[in-house]
Amino acid sequence: EAGVAQSPRYKIIEKRQSVAFWCNPISGHATLYWYQQILGQGPKLLIQFQNNGVVDDSQLPKDRFSAERLKGVDSTLKIQPAKLEDSAVYLCASSGTFYNEQFFGPGTRLTVL
Amino acid sequence: RKEVEQDPGPFNVPEGATVAFNCTYSNSASQSFFWYRQDCRKEPKLLMSVYSSGNEDGRFTAQLNRASQYISLLIRDSKLSDSATYLCVVRGGATNKLIFGTGTLLAVQP
Repeated sequence: EAGVAQSPRYKIIEKRQSVAFWCNPISGHATLYWYQQILGQGPKLLIQFQNNGVVDDSQLPKDRFSAERLKGVDSTLKIQPAKLEDSAVYLCASSGTFYNEQFFGPGTRLTVL
Repeated sequence: RKEVEQDPGPFNVPEGATVAFNCTYSNSASQSFFWYRQDCRKEPKLLMSVYSSGNEDGRFTAQLNRASQYISLLIRDSKLSDSATYLCVVRGGATNKLIFGTGTLLAVQP
């Protein structure tokens, strides 16, 4: 079974630039998550989708971050404009439902200079 | 106070040693508990769920103490391949989101 796919794997940008990340969840998984993992910390949930609806975006910095999951499958996470403190690994995960095990993608490592 | 607290380590142990990690959580209404493993520059993967009665999976034993809001992971007969960061994870809240600790780094030495 194919896992969660993410692209790009690495991205280097300068502050104030924009960047977008893409995630393709495991086929049939209704719930999709975006996490931010800063070096030395555990992943922090940014946003959770159930199909194409947002369930929890309480920790998403909405002044600069946005995410969508059109058609309830793929998702994109955008940062505009980026700040130095956005340097992190952005992990996408999916699960069958809220209670099922979450499977993580390989992540996108973002460096903001 | 952090919602999930762990000793970041590192724990440097020889092969064959027994090592224990501890974790505390602040929300008494938390519903489910897990240990995830994260290898260097890789994604987290579920190691095991943690139940009040305690559970074992081979060399790994997890325990939960709800009264003390405390979770533990015991690794017996450590292998070089056990070297990784072990993340304590708690599920709770209205949206059942996972809350991760900062992780404990384990380095098993030959």
